[in-house]
Amino acid sequence: SYELTQPPSVSVSPGQTASITCSGDKLGDKYACWYQQKSGQSPVVVIYQDKKRPSGIPERFSGSNSGNTATLTISGTQAMDEADYYCQAWDSSTVVFGGGTKLTVL
Amino acid sequence: EVQLVESGGGLIQPGGSLRLSCAASGFTVSSNYMSWVRQAPGKGLEWVSVIYSGGSTYYADSVKGRFTISRDNSKNTLYLQMNSLRAEDTAVYYCARGVVVVPAAIFYFDYWGQGTLVTVSS
Repeated sequence: SYELTQPPSVSVSPGQTASITCSGDKLGDKYACWYQQKSGQSPVVVIYQDKKRPSGIPERFSGSNSGNTATLTISGTQAMDEADYYCQAWDSSTVVFGGGTKLTVL
Repeated sequence: EVQLVESGGGLIQPGGSLRLSCAASGFTVSSNYMSWVRQAPGKGLEWVSVIYSGGSTYYADSVKGRFTISRDNSKNTLYLQMNSLRAEDTAVYYCARGVVVVPAAIFYFDYWGQGTLVTVSS
């Protein structure tokens, strides 16, 4: 079965750029999306179709996907961005999530 | 306004059965790809099942043969019948609406419910 791998944690200082990676075999041949989940809340999509932002998602969120790695980038990270982030892809009629990355803003 | 409201969770003994419901409003369940996603306490998201608009269903290996996804078009409601429950099925269960572009294999969830907690324990 298809697998997506994320680093368990990433730390960033306020105002700096945070990058969260998601690795999978030939992931660049699929479409990746990213969800943000704050403590006690349901997930929210922040990037879909590799790099598109839903309405209401700040421009500081961006995405890319090439080769075996998709990347979520948060520019000018704010304290409110502290959350768990999950990548997701679709493979053979099944949905696959990465293990999640806890973003700490300190 | 799109809303998804799950119900039916609770405490159940190992080997027992439970049926979760997800009442939708603001859109038609049968015209969309609908999924169940679960999250064990302190763990990540795990996809459970999907039902396509055409009625095809797919399951994660961990629940195949034990869980059944279905929908009631007249009630605009999604269901998850869970049988032979195990301790490892303990989780918050979310229903989510999928956005799909089939030829391009684009699939993501644009709306999620608030979740319902299932606890499997004796």
